[in-house]
Amino acid sequence: ETGVTQSPTHLIKTRGQQVTLRCSSQSGHNTVSWYQQALGQGPQFIFQYYREEENGRGNFPPRFSGLQFPNYSSELNVNALELDDSALYLCASSSGQAGRPNYGYTFGSGTRLTVV
Amino acid sequence: DAKTTQPPSMDCAEGRAANLPCNHSTISGNEYVYWYRQIHSQGPQYIIHGLKNNETNEMASLIITEDRKSSTLILPHATLRDTAVYYCIVRVFQGAQKLVFGQGTRLTINP
Repeated sequence: ETGVTQSPTHLIKTRGQQVTLRCSSQSGHNTVSWYQQALGQGPQFIFQYYREEENGRGNFPPRFSGLQFPNYSSELNVNALELDDSALYLCASSSGQAGRPNYGYTFGSGTRLTVV
Repeated sequence: DAKTTQPPSMDCAEGRAANLPCNHSTISGNEYVYWYRQIHSQGPQYIIHGLKNNETNEMASLIITEDRKSSTLILPHATLRDTAVYYCIVRVFQGAQKLVFGQGTRLTINP
């Protein structure tokens, strides 16, 4: 059973550019969530995808967008990068659906994004 | 907004039990408590979760008070490899199930 894999592991971008981060969910997991973790802080929920649709979003602007594919893998896209977007971006996969209790989340190792 | 409050740091001697407290006084009846840990900015690692009953697995025990306003994570025999940031998390449902992280406790296991 493979875990959650994210790519790339590190990335440096210039302010104003666009970036795409990728996530392959754990085998058997159909739900993917993305989190942003600034240095020294706990992760913050960005959004979640289930059955290729966004079904929940945190306090992030529309320039943060995502996709989920039929194989349950996912992408996080960030447009018009700002310096404050520098963070560790984490992907977490899980099984089940909203409202179903008692299921866990498996996190990937993250993508470290630096905006200069 | 975080729904949990944890001490910023704790120390524990190797081989002793590490007891990590967490307050979640605004937790709702159907919201689960999760514990994760994070080592060297790697991805968070699942430890345990529960709703209202005490839980135990091969890694730890979770004690939840009867009023569910606080909980304690117990690592029964701490090792140096348990040094990490431990997050007490409430899983909330706001259109999607999401984990609401707090600031975490930096646990240092001393030899």
